[in-house]
Amino acid sequence: DAGVIQSPRHEVTEMGQEVTLRCKPISGHDYLFWYRQTMMRGLELLIYFNNNVPIDDSGMPEDRFSAKMPNASFSTLKIQPSEPRDSAVYFCASTKTSGMFGELFFGEGSRLTVL
Amino acid sequence: GENVEQHPSTLSVQEGDSAVIKCTYSDSASNYFPWYKQELGKGPQLIIDIRSNVGEKKDQRIAVTLNKTAKHFSLHITETQPEDSAVYFCAATPGNYQLIWGAGTKLIIKP
Repeated sequence: DAGVIQSPRHEVTEMGQEVTLRCKPISGHDYLFWYRQTMMRGLELLIYFNNNVPIDDSGMPEDRFSAKMPNASFSTLKIQPSEPRDSAVYFCASTKTSGMFGELFFGEGSRLTVL
Repeated sequence: GENVEQHPSTLSVQEGDSAVIKCTYSDSASNYFPWYKQELGKGPQLIIDIRSNVGEKKDQRIAVTLNKTAKHFSLHITETQPEDSAVYFCAATPGNYQLIWGAGTKLIIKP
């Protein structure tokens, strides 16, 4: 399997613009997570899905952030409008569960810079 | 809720020596404790994990120990090599599908 695939790898945009980050999880995985990583706050869970359904979005910073998972092989994280404080590396991760928590497989991340 | 503290934030060791990274957690319900390694420009990758029903687990040069009474767990890397240089994260989960992450330890292996 190719692993978790994220795009774009790098995004530079101006404040106020819409940003869409994309993720393709590993086939057969039923959980998908979106994380944000910064030096100041470390790894933060934004939202996670189980079988395409959002389970917990309490980590989403504010209404400017939204995430969707229209099918088992695709998810998006959208920021509209973007702000400089949104600059971070955004990771998508997936896992297949069997009653217990298991290994998270991370993508290589999308580095977002908002000017 | 769960809180995970990780120490040290940076660790520099001579190649061939051992490295130990320690984490403490607050929620006694936590039952799964993974360690992830993050290399520059990549996502974190699981290197070893332990569940609350065991006290120690080894995989070649890497081992993890868990003390449930004291609520702490540690990562031990023996015979360190240059490729061990990375940022290491500990985490804990109180039984749901959320990981509570430590702040990370930057491990530097000096030649």
